[in-house]
Amino acid sequence: KNEVEQSPQNLTAQEGEFITINCSYSVGISALHWLQQHPGGGIVSLFMLSSGKKKHGRLIATINIQEKHSSLHITASHPRDSAVYICAVEMDSNYQLIWGAGTKLIIKP
Amino acid sequence: GAGVSQSPSNKVTEKGKDVELRCDPISGHTALYWYRQSLGQGLEFLIYFQGNSAPDKSGLPSDRFSAERTGGSVSTLTIQRTQQEDSAVYLCASSFHAVQYFGPGTRLLVL
Repeated sequence: KNEVEQSPQNLTAQEGEFITINCSYSVGISALHWLQQHPGGGIVSLFMLSSGKKKHGRLIATINIQEKHSSLHITASHPRDSAVYICAVEMDSNYQLIWGAGTKLIIKP
Repeated sequence: GAGVSQSPSNKVTEKGKDVELRCDPISGHTALYWYRQSLGQGLEFLIYFQGNSAPDKSGLPSDRFSAERTGGSVSTLTIQRTQQEDSAVYLCASSFHAVQYFGPGTRLLVL
């Protein structure tokens, strides 16, 4: 079993839909990161969470430390949101990040 | 710009040759990370530096891989006797606190 699991692996939705991507982990962490990777492009750090909820524009990230679960939500999705979204956890024993496999999101106009 | 830079952006080499990849982190960032992303795979952690020291080298896939960082700044990742399976995008990131800032990557193709 992977230490970080994301679901779904692939998600196709229509423009305007509310999107949820889930991340579960099994190790003790000090922080959880959500990152965005565009096709052929670089990686952008979206959020770093250690508790609660954060919001940036149409993006919302939540984390439940007790349940070892985090969600990334996108409201009013747009084709430019199409990308791979990666959940990564920072272990509380060192600086190493453990990566999820990513969720490939396609938003159709 | 003030971001993380990597060079070269693309590298094509022959099997068996050595390659050196460079990362210039954001000024003042004490932590530096190397990752690899092979085609169709997720990101794979290779090594990280805190200052000039590398407390965690567990991710290096073989003894053909080595990395160093000097002056708490520039880092080089060296791959000796490259193999075709080394073909991947090599990403560098730096951080001051926990948020990592990624460079554009070096695409390595071993023929």
